[in-house]
Amino acid sequence: NAGVTQTPKFQVLKTGQSMTLQCAQDMNHNSMYWYRQDPGMGLRLIYYSASEGTTDKGEVPNGYNVSRLNKREFSLRLESAAPSQTSVYFCASSATEGSYYEQYFGPGTRLTVT
Amino acid sequence: AQSVTQPDIHITVSEGASLELRCNYSYGATPYLFWYVQSPGQGLQLLLKYFSGDTLVQGIKGFEAEFKRSQSSFNLRKPSVHWSDAAEYFCAVGPPVSYGNKLVFGAGTILRVKS
Repeated sequence: NAGVTQTPKFQVLKTGQSMTLQCAQDMNHNSMYWYRQDPGMGLRLIYYSASEGTTDKGEVPNGYNVSRLNKREFSLRLESAAPSQTSVYFCASSATEGSYYEQYFGPGTRLTVT
Repeated sequence: AQSVTQPDIHITVSEGASLELRCNYSYGATPYLFWYVQSPGQGLQLLLKYFSGDTLVQGIKGFEAEFKRSQSSFNLRKPSVHWSDAAEYFCAVGPPVSYGNKLVFGAGTILRVKS
């Protein structure tokens, strides 16, 4: 099992450019999440998908959109990148039964917007 | 709203010394509690979790944590730190039942280990 995979690992964008961060999980989890990590601020939830076909805003959704493509994949899109979106982005997934609160994290995407 | 406080931004301990990382939460009921570890350049890995029952929980890599309801705390401990424990540690909480099973994370504590 690969767990949670993310692409790309690194990306540099110019202000105003767009890009999509990809995330996939092979654990048959229902819920998926996108976080950003900034120094001294921990992880902040951008968007989440409680189950296939649903998406909801988290704490810091402005400037982002998401798509839950199927049960495995959850993408994050920046339509017009801004320097304030320079961050490390993590995707995570969790089951919804049993130990459903455990979130499993991908390796992260380090994004720089110049 | 839930919140998590990790009072120490950085902690430095000597290899072989004991460690305690603090975590306090604010929530109306007893939440589910977690500690995650992040090595440099890596994603987060679950160390341990508390749902209910015994308030002292054991995790991986020799870590343990104690839930104290009266203090709204869930502090992480290790009796003897190894150089490989140098990493950032995050405490997280989640309500027992919630749509989407969302977690709230603390700001993290960076652990440095000196030889």
